[in-house]
Amino acid sequence: NAGVTQTPKFQVLKTGQSMTLQCAQDMNHNSMYWYRQDPGMGLRLIYYSASEGTTDKGEVPNGYNVSRLNKREFSLRLESAAPSQTSVYFCASSDPDRGDGNTIYFGEGSWLTVV
Amino acid sequence: RKEVEQDPGPFNVPEGATVAFNCTYSNSASQSFFWYRQDCRKEPKLLMSVYSSGNEDGRFTAQLNRASQYISLLIRDSKLSDSATYLCVVNDGGFKTIFGAGTRLFVKA
Repeated sequence: NAGVTQTPKFQVLKTGQSMTLQCAQDMNHNSMYWYRQDPGMGLRLIYYSASEGTTDKGEVPNGYNVSRLNKREFSLRLESAAPSQTSVYFCASSDPDRGDGNTIYFGEGSWLTVV
Repeated sequence: RKEVEQDPGPFNVPEGATVAFNCTYSNSASQSFFWYRQDCRKEPKLLMSVYSSGNEDGRFTAQLNRASQYISLLIRDSKLSDSATYLCVVNDGGFKTIFGAGTRLFVKA
C-alpha cells in the first residue's frame, strides 16, 4: 500500500527560487495537509484542504501556496524560497468522517534546504 | 503557553525498564487524543489512540485525564526498537490537530 506519496525527497534551492512539492494519496481520504517540522517546534500546519476544491490556511501559511488538484493530489508551492523555509515538509491525509478520530497519515517527508 | 506540552527528554533507559511519558493540553474542548511515534528522519506514525477509559496495546498503555487535561503513555519491558520520539497529539474534532514537540526515548542494551 502506497498510502501518501510525496516528491521530491531532497531538494536544495537558492534564495529566491521557486519549487513545488507534490503529494498524492491513495486512501480515498477527503482531507489533506501540509506540515513543516523544525527542531524543537513540533509539526506546524501550513495549509490544509478539507475536501476537493477547498483550501485553508493553517498556522504558518506565509510564503506558501497550495493547490488541491483533485481528490488524490495536493501540492505545495514556494514562490520565492527563503532560508527560513529550510525544513522538513510532510504531506498528510485523513478522513474525519471515518470514525477514527481523524487519524492523520503522513508521507515520508521532503527535506528542503534553502541557501 | 503551548497548546500541547511534552517533556522533550531525552529519556535514557535500559532494556526491560518501564518508562512513562506525560503530556498536557490547553483546549478543554479537545475531542480526540493520540500518541504517534517518529523514528529518526522518518515520518510520524500512529502508535495508538487514547480513550477516556484508558487503553492498552501490548506493552503500551495510554491514559487520559480530561479533568486535568493530561495524557500519559507507559511503555513496559522496553526494547531497543522502542528508541524513537513519541509525539502527543490532540484533535478538536475537526481539522485542528496539534502535535506536541515530542519526547525522545533511547533504550540501551
